[in-house]
Amino acid sequence: NAGVTQTPKFRILKIGQSMTLQCAQDMNHNYMYWYRQDPGMGLKLIYYSVGAGITDKGEVPNGYNVSRSTTEDFPLRLELAAPSQTSVYFCASSYSGGLANYGYTFGSGTRLTVV
Amino acid sequence: QQPVQSPQAVILREGEDAVINCSSSKALYSVHWYRQKHGEAPVFLMILLKGGEQKGHEKISASFNEKKQQSSLYLTASQLSYSGTYFCGTFQGAQKLVFGQGTRLTINP
Repeated sequence: NAGVTQTPKFRILKIGQSMTLQCAQDMNHNYMYWYRQDPGMGLKLIYYSVGAGITDKGEVPNGYNVSRSTTEDFPLRLELAAPSQTSVYFCASSYSGGLANYGYTFGSGTRLTVV
Repeated sequence: QQPVQSPQAVILREGEDAVINCSSSKALYSVHWYRQKHGEAPVFLMILLKGGEQKGHEKISASFNEKKQQSSLYLTASQLSYSGTYFCGTFQGAQKLVFGQGTRLTINP
């Protein structure tokens, strides 16, 4: 049982480049999330999804896009990368949307540097 | 608006106790607690769903005071393995779990 899998683990981008961070879960969770964590800081919600075909903005959505075509996958797209997007990106999923005694399961993260 | 955690950092000797607080300026309906070790992903500890609820997880427990809009995490007889950064999370609207800035806990032998 793999849980939440993120790829790649590390990536260096040049300013203006684009990339897609991949996230897949095998727990059949409807709810999925993308967070970013800057050094020494807490987690900020970028986007979330409550099921295939349904996505919504979180706290810091600017500069990012998401799609959810299947229950398993929730990719995060960075367009025109900027140094401010240097961060560690975590994908998470949950069974009940964070209620009913079920927490979030996080992937191991993607460390992104924009130079 | 994200919840506020206090203290920002704690240094303990093994076997000592610690309390981490999480407060919100908005009404709280549930509180999540997570621990993150350096370079790793956050790991879910527990969720409190209603005011007055208390939960325990080995020697780590938490309480939720709905009226005061705060939750506290208690670590008793701390072990080296408890080191890490602890985050509380609260909902700002449906599905928007926002996290506090974290409390870094260091346990020394």
